[in-house]
Amino acid sequence: QKEVEQNSGPLSVPEGAIASLNCTYSDRGSQSFFWYRQYSGKSPELIMFIYSNGDKEDGRFTAQLNKASQYVSLLIRDSQPSDSATYLCAARSNDYKLSFGAGTTVTVRA
Amino acid sequence: SAVISQKPSRDICQRGTSLTIQCQVDSQVTMMFWYRQQPGQSLTLIATANQGSEATYESGFVIDKFPISRPNLTFSTLTVSNMSPEDSSIYLCSVEEVQTQYFGPGTRLLVL
Repeated sequence: QKEVEQNSGPLSVPEGAIASLNCTYSDRGSQSFFWYRQYSGKSPELIMFIYSNGDKEDGRFTAQLNKASQYVSLLIRDSQPSDSATYLCAARSNDYKLSFGAGTTVTVRA
Repeated sequence: SAVISQKPSRDICQRGTSLTIQCQVDSQVTMMFWYRQQPGQSLTLIATANQGSEATYESGFVIDKFPISRPNLTFSTLTVSNMSPEDSSIYLCSVEEVQTQYFGPGTRLLVL
């Protein structure tokens, strides 16, 4: 069974701080990894994807991938109240299917 | 990315009835998927909707309960049959574009 696990939340950070979200996956055949943001009552919205080991930066977001450790992370720098949401980690296997983690709820305190 | 719409956006249904959810995409896509998100839970893949052939269901989901149609490359339907309160969930369709999945707005279903 392909499992994706995320660090348990909720995660509360002050405005302007860095929020760090972690994710591990069990299927070594997973090729790419995604972070989605889901606001309450809304559908998941893609934030970032990463395929290669190392870091990938997009604005205030940085995704990190370590395939040897089967570990993915997302850093949110200069956190804003609008970043308050549930963040879902997903791993994509060769058959195009996504396996999702349970999600980490982030609250940014003003 | 593709623009995805779903109908209805929400519904309240009586147990034992069926509801058909529509998913429309503004461009042709090969891969379409249906997910369920139960209250407070993450997303679970129900099936892959294949154009011109039967859907491929994940473990725990069967065609009799969740029949799926995919008549063309821009449209799919998911029917939730013989509903029970346990079917109360958000149902989401997604499409694959450039090796990335994008989600529709979802259908919020409450079964009484």
